[in-house]
Amino acid sequence: QSVLTQPPSVSGAPGQRITISCTGSSSNVGADYDVHWYQQLPGTAPKLLIYGNTNRPSGVPDRFSGSTSGSSASLAITGLQAEDEADYYCQSYDSSLRGWVFGGGTKVTVL
Amino acid sequence: EVQLVESGGGLVKPGGSLRLSCAASGFTFSTYNINWVRQAPGKGLEWVSSISGTSNYIYYADSVKGRFTISRDNAKNSLYLQMNSLRVEDTALYYCARSEGWGPGWFDPWGQGTRVTVSS
Repeated sequence: QSVLTQPPSVSGAPGQRITISCTGSSSNVGADYDVHWYQQLPGTAPKLLIYGNTNRPSGVPDRFSGSTSGSSASLAITGLQAEDEADYYCQSYDSSLRGWVFGGGTKVTVL
Repeated sequence: EVQLVESGGGLVKPGGSLRLSCAASGFTFSTYNINWVRQAPGKGLEWVSSISGTSNYIYYADSVKGRFTISRDNAKNSLYLQMNSLRVEDTALYYCARSEGWGPGWFDPWGQGTRVTVSS
């Protein structure tokens, strides 16, 4: 069981908007530790997608956006494209565990 | 170009040992915290260990505490993970990743990973 909870899968048609939730607790996201998101394309290493809850690294399309509210965070993908098919992971820091924690990952399928 | 390249993975029997390495280039290695993260086959990401730039601060996940030791050699721009008393459940792709940003920060970039298989 992952400390951060994500839905196992989300799907959408090309051009649609989808969201991936990441639910934490009072020792991580709820304690105001930042949430970061990673994209892992099949057979490749994870790549930073969103950092500090809402920020996009250079080169990441603005179709990707992050938000937080209380003990939860969300990743939104607008204008879904075939190349967005990947696994997505949220990450935060947990003060009780004294370490970094990840969500279980969400597989995005473009229909 | 900032780059991390892992090596040292392989097949080992339960109870055995293995030492992973991560070679860094393209940045001032000694000024960054570095991490090990693993991914079991078909599973998600699990943080394993972190070490500060000067090795003053070291942290481990409970699942590896007492069995794994992280270290670094700043003169060689290299990070290591000594893994002892290996278990079947340690089978995974092991990534090294640089810490970035404020507070606990985020991980960027990641290496391509080195595979560890623990099996009799």
